Amino acid sequence: SQQGEEDPQALSIQEGENATMNCSYKTSINNLQWYRQNSGRGLVHLILIRSNEREKHSGRLRVTLDTSKKSSSLLITASRAADTASYFCATDDGTGRRALTFGSGTRLQVQP
Amino acid sequence: NAGVTQTPKFQVLKTGQSMTLQCAQDMNHNSMYWYRQDPGMGLRLIYYSASEGTTDKGEVPNGYNVSRLNKREFSLRLESAAPSQTSVYFCASWELQGYEQYFGPGTRLTVT
Repeated sequence: SQQGEEDPQALSIQEGENATMNCSYKTSINNLQWYRQNSGRGLVHLILIRSNEREKHSGRLRVTLDTSKKSSSLLITASRAADTASYFCATDDGTGRRALTFGSGTRLQVQP
Repeated sequence: NAGVTQTPKFQVLKTGQSMTLQCAQDMNHNSMYWYRQDPGMGLRLIYYSASEGTTDKGEVPNGYNVSRLNKREFSLRLESAAPSQTSVYFCASWELQGYEQYFGPGTRLTVT
């Protein structure tokens, strides 16, 4: 079963606008990560937030984590056409196997 | 540094045929993973190998076998392919001290 569920499933915005994607998960986590997948390609790591952190920034990315609600959000500011991709959250439960559980993803389309 | 490589990129099989998907990483990572991604969904873990010589089942292992040939290589075998195994298969690796997974470009498999 999917640990994380993303919302919305698809998002279309204009270049320059901000894009917000949400992720909910079910079990306790060690950390939560966001990955990007360009069409037909593998996933690329974007940012990680640990369970004891509430907010993290990296360039145009801002991630928040609310462990009480078991949810996270990814904000991309001043979006560009090159940000067009699918975005996935992934949780690490901190067990020895170190395997990630991925959400179903948000497809972001940034119109130039 | 090639990162994670996968072969083949595309494959079409008939029901009942067998094949092996190859994966190699040149980053000296201990852990390696096989995922499948079905249309509109996130990645689901098939098998993983925490270190050379060990393999463990993930969420959807039925119909697959794996071999951790050495530290660099982790192969996935379909003994008798079924249409339900039509998917995109991703290999990934993970450094012991790190948090992110590194993904290969994927193998698109169609079983008719």
